[in-house]
Amino acid sequence: DAKTTQPTSMDCAEGRAANLPCNHSTISGNEYVYWYRQIHSQGPQYIIHGLKNNETNEMASLIITEDRKSSTLILPHATLRDTAVYYCIVRGANTDKLIFGTGTRLQVFP
Amino acid sequence: DGGITQSPKYLFRKEGQNVTLSCEQNLNHDAMYWYRQDPGQGLRLIYYSQIVNDFQKGDIAEGYSVSREKKESFPLTVTSAQKNPTAFYLCASSRGKLDTEAFFGQGTRLTVV
Repeated sequence: DAKTTQPTSMDCAEGRAANLPCNHSTISGNEYVYWYRQIHSQGPQYIIHGLKNNETNEMASLIITEDRKSSTLILPHATLRDTAVYYCIVRGANTDKLIFGTGTRLQVFP
Repeated sequence: DGGITQSPKYLFRKEGQNVTLSCEQNLNHDAMYWYRQDPGQGLRLIYYSQIVNDFQKGDIAEGYSVSREKKESFPLTVTSAQKNPTAFYLCASSRGKLDTEAFFGQGTRLTVV
């Protein structure tokens, strides 16, 4: 299973874009990159996922580098409610195993 | 409403007792998961199941047991062999295909005294 590396914490001003990086240098060709977030004491919430191409939905954008060794989750206009722990995970290619790392704690401030 | 339900939200047990945490989903998902989360830490995989009557150990399966007799149910038993059972337990389910997301329950906070 590919492992991911994320910064422990980040700050972002309300209204600005939050760019959360993730390294997954050992990712295999058919493994997807997923992003989830967890607001305190709740179950994680799915945000977005992608394979090779950049993806966008109503919550965020996902930028995956051409070599697929890293990705960036972009929250275009962060709000205070986006304060959470953000997890970048790589989906196991041959199983349904989902392995979470320690994530990035994003603090959005006024 | 479709979703995944964990019960109860809070659970207290005495040391040495086995306790079973419930997880039910009506999403018709094939795969289900159990995670443990300690304060300030990430999620650690306990067990997962890709199909009925089959399950695999995750990274921290010792002291836990599961069953998958029905597609919609994946109960987790925390046995007396688990040395530090007090934690937040999360259940999740997914369609089991590589390009689909997992849905999480709201968790059960187990306290063993």
